Amino acid sequence: GQSLEQPSEVTAVEGAIVQINCTYQTSGFYGLSWYQQHDGGAPTFLSYNALDGLEETGRFSSFLSRSDSYGYLLLQELQMKDSASYFCAALQQAGTALIFGKGTTLSVSS
Amino acid sequence: DVKVTQSSRYLVKRTGEKVFLECVQDMDHENMFWYRQDPGLGLRLIYFSYDVKMKEKGDIPEGYSVSREKKERFSLILESASTNQTSMYLCASRNRVNTGELFFGEGSRLTVL
Repeated sequence: GQSLEQPSEVTAVEGAIVQINCTYQTSGFYGLSWYQQHDGGAPTFLSYNALDGLEETGRFSSFLSRSDSYGYLLLQELQMKDSASYFCAALQQAGTALIFGKGTTLSVSS
Repeated sequence: DVKVTQSSRYLVKRTGEKVFLECVQDMDHENMFWYRQDPGLGLRLIYFSYDVKMKEKGDIPEGYSVSREKKERFSLILESASTNQTSMYLCASRNRVNTGELFFGEGSRLTVL
């Protein structure tokens, strides 16, 4: 089968750093995406890794290790507005649809 | 900005009714997708279309059909709605096939009574 595993919930305080892990098991693999979704809102794209290594975009970074079938999203200098659900999603091959994990709910407290 | 517009934000239908969910994107994207989102289950792919009149089944196509007659519009059809199709339906589009960047609409929350 194909699946993406990520923790269901993560809690942190403002200003902290949090890492959301994602392990995947798919029949093919082209790249890994991350999405953010606030309550009642649409998922919005954060990052996409096709190659191994770390990609940094402001306070958010995403990492991929193909050999370990593993990736993570790193959120730094957490703010209250970062409280949301975060989804990893795998692209099995070019031209196909994304397969999503079940999501991680991040709660940031003051 | 890319805009993906879903025609109805909230719908309430009765069991057995035919339901149409419409999605329009304004950026000439070739690929379009329909997902459903349920608590604890994440987003599950119903159908996707990689071009006009082309469609592919996703993981949960049973009870659904789709139509893509024009590039900008992708419709999801529930031929005979059932209570287990109560869900949030999300439409998305993509401009390049080798990227994981999807643009989502705001969603259509369907309740089937």
